[in-house]
Amino acid sequence: DIQMTQSPSSLSASVGDRVTITCQASHDINNRLNWYQQRPGRAPKLLIYDASNLEAGVPSRFSGRGSGTDFTFTISSLQPEDKATYYCQQYEDLFTFGPGTTVDIK
Amino acid sequence: VQLVQSGAEVKRPGASVKVSCKASGYSFRNYVIHWVRQAPGQRLEWMGWINAGNGDTKYSQKFQGRVTITRDTSATTAYMELSSLRSEDTAVYYCTRGQYCTTFNCYLGIWFGPWGQGTLVTVSS
Repeated sequence: DIQMTQSPSSLSASVGDRVTITCQASHDINNRLNWYQQRPGRAPKLLIYDASNLEAGVPSRFSGRGSGTDFTFTISSLQPEDKATYYCQQYEDLFTFGPGTTVDIK
Repeated sequence: VQLVQSGAEVKRPGASVKVSCKASGYSFRNYVIHWVRQAPGQRLEWMGWINAGNGDTKYSQKFQGRVTITRDTSATTAYMELSSLRSEDTAVYYCTRGQYCTTFNCYLGIWFGPWGQGTLVTVSS
């Protein structure tokens, strides 16, 4: 099984700040890595697929990069509506999600 | 594109639950439907998938033997049934659209979206 870890587990930042989340896989997953946003009480929403591709309709302040085992997700200018938990997910070997990073607004 | 799930359920330990997922706005037979659950305060957990075109299924080893995913193409609806329920199965269950498939094969890129609104299943005596 491929295990996924994320850091930090939570963060608090101000509107306009640059926020970066890291995700690490226990094995090489090539670029088979997706990122999701889950607002409180809501279903997840796809933001980034295949490590760096922005899903249609998702604001360009969201971005992702990486390959192999190490990946990053960045919000270039944090907005109030970005308050949510962000999950990475691999699909190299079935599907596993990271534990999530909760982003709060100061 | 929309996935609409059935309503919340309360079940006794040992019972079964069947959750439905009605798809609309796209060609139902050309996509895979996945089921993912989220226990309170926990990460998302993949349970299994069904190829809505040919009915092929694949399940997480964790749920093998307890989960059955089916579909009704005429109703453009997928179903997830979980049996032998225990308190640890209390969770929100989501359906989500996955990879595109033709008659012969499925696209290698797999990401989940859109998602249903979720169905809360509570297992309690």
